[in-house]
Amino acid sequence: QKEVEQNSGPLSVPEGAIASLNCTYSDRGSQSFFWYRQYSGKSPELIMFIYSNGDKEDGRFTAQLNKASQYVSLLIRDSQPSDSATYLCAVKGGYQKVTFGTGTKLQVIP
Amino acid sequence: EPEVTQTPSHQVTQMGQEVILRCVPISNHLYFYWYRQILGQKVEFLVSFYNNEISEKSEIFDDQFSVERPDGSNFTLKIRSTKLEDSAMYFCASSVATGGDTFGSGTRLTVV
Repeated sequence: QKEVEQNSGPLSVPEGAIASLNCTYSDRGSQSFFWYRQYSGKSPELIMFIYSNGDKEDGRFTAQLNKASQYVSLLIRDSQPSDSATYLCAVKGGYQKVTFGTGTKLQVIP
Repeated sequence: EPEVTQTPSHQVTQMGQEVILRCVPISNHLYFYWYRQILGQKVEFLVSFYNNEISEKSEIFDDQFSVERPDGSNFTLKIRSTKLEDSAMYFCASSVATGGDTFGSGTRLTVV
């Protein structure tokens, strides 16, 4: 059973701080890694994807991948109240099957 | 901005009935997906579709389910003989060969 694990939270950070969200996965054959944001009652929205070890930055977001440790993380700099949502980690193998984690709820406190 | 369109937004059906959920993926996308999310639970992969055939399916996607691309734009999920436990939000998504999926706004299926 391929698993993607996330701390369910809530993770509370003050406005302007850095939010750090973590994810581990069990399938060493995983090739693609994604972070989605899901507001309550809405559909997932893609934030970042990463394929290679290291960091990938896009605006206030940085995705980090360590395949040896089977670990993916998402950093959100200068957190805003509008960032309050559930963040889903997703992992894709060689074919198109995607496994999602249960998500981490982020609360940004004004 | 291109979007994935799903209809209907909410479907109520009686147990044992068949339902068809409809989706219009983004026009230049090549891969199409159906996911479901039971209330309060994680997003679950059902099936992926590429080049007019299923490329991958999960253990959830049994003989009760089928997908079809009846024309150049629509992508449908058929659920036969619905059960109470099929009640969930069903998301259609599409993607190009690389990158993540663009999700539609979902169809909330309620089986009574």
